[in-house]
Amino acid sequence: LAKTTQPISMDSYEGQEVNITCSHNNIATNDYITWYQQFPSQGPRFIIQGYKTKVTNEVASLFIPADRKSSTLSLPRVSLSDTAVYYCLVGPEASGTYKYIFGTGTRLKVLA
Amino acid sequence: DAGITQSPRYKITETGRQVTLMCHQTWSHSYMFWYRQDLGHGLRLIYYSAAADITDKGEVPDGYVVSRSKTENFPLTLESATRSQTSVYFCASSESMGKIETQYFGPGTRLLVL
Repeated sequence: LAKTTQPISMDSYEGQEVNITCSHNNIATNDYITWYQQFPSQGPRFIIQGYKTKVTNEVASLFIPADRKSSTLSLPRVSLSDTAVYYCLVGPEASGTYKYIFGTGTRLKVLA
Repeated sequence: DAGITQSPRYKITETGRQVTLMCHQTWSHSYMFWYRQDLGHGLRLIYYSAAADITDKGEVPDGYVVSRSKTENFPLTLESATRSQTSVYFCASSESMGKIETQYFGPGTRLLVL
């Protein structure tokens, strides 16, 4: 099982870059790494997905080292509105299925 | 552009009653999912469906029943509600599984079982 481990919470200040690292030591060859963001009282929404090296979109960057045993979500110049829970997912959970394990995520609090 | 909707948004019921939570998506996505979210547990998958009439269990299926007679609808039924099923329930959909696809979540249903 590709279990993930990420910090329970993080604090940051507006304008800073935030890096959230996720460990997934037993990631499988075919697994992708996906990050979701969840605001209070809303469902999660997709942020970014990658397989290896670096992926960047308009919201974030995802860094994946060669061994793929960890990944880092990077949020540039965060604002108060980036306060949310961030989930790292690796999977799918089992071959031929579409099961993903969300876990408890990282609660990011951006301070003024 | 309705996307994915859930109803009701809030529900209070009593122990032992049957409750059905509705989920409807307008994208004709093949895959649909039900999650529950409790404090300290993150999101846990209850059931998912790969297509109409095809469903499979997730992490926590006990006490729940699903059906998928139409692609766009994926109702979740609590046959005999228990207090431990008090939670926020999220429905999600995804286009396909051939390549890893993102899941699109609904706004959630807050269920309180007294």
